[in-house]
Amino acid sequence: DAKTTQPNSMESNEEEPVHLPCNHSTISGTDYIHWYRQLPSQGPEYVIHGLTSNVNNRMASLAIAEDRKSSTLILHRATLRDAAVYYCILRGFQKLVFGTGTRLLVSP
Amino acid sequence: GAVVSQHPSWVICKSGTSVKIECRSLDFQATTMFWYRQFPKQSLMLMATSNEGSKATYEQGVEKDKFLINHASLTLSTLTVTSAHPEDSSFYICSAGRTSGIYEQYFGPGTRLTVT
Repeated sequence: DAKTTQPNSMESNEEEPVHLPCNHSTISGTDYIHWYRQLPSQGPEYVIHGLTSNVNNRMASLAIAEDRKSSTLILHRATLRDAAVYYCILRGFQKLVFGTGTRLLVSP
Repeated sequence: GAVVSQHPSWVICKSGTSVKIECRSLDFQATTMFWYRQFPKQSLMLMATSNEGSKATYEQGVEKDKFLINHASLTLSTLTVTSAHPEDSSFYICSAGRTSGIYEQYFGPGTRLTVT
């Protein structure tokens, strides 16, 4: 399974944009890039996913580098409820293999 | 979005006993279900993948005789931790996948197992 590298933690202030980076230099052509987040004592929650083009949904935006070796999850206006561990995952066929993720801290 | 439930949400059992955890997809049929384990302050570790009506595929290092997985229907998978020991205490999370044009995977809320 291709691996991802994320910073251990990041901090943000409320209502500011947050850019969460992810490196995946060994990504294969068929791997989808998925982002999930996990609040304490809860199961992961789907955020967004993409293959080659940038993607937007109501939760976030996903910017994918042209060579697909890195991607960035963008939260346009962080709220206190966005404080969580964010996982960047490469999905081949079906299974999702989680890395260590980035713990996002949001200050009021 | 689709909903996945787990039961129980938490359980305490004595060492040596077995515990069964249920995972249900409430409003969709899951072609595949997955079981994860998560220790405190660590990431999720995939334990096994199961498809309805067939044997589960276990990840390397996961004892299939200790963690029994049954996937009897497209909406229900169970994980039984047999002869539980304190080191099996963990947060167990299931997820269910479906393909309807695109592939989607949804996670349950998790089950906290404490073995005393």
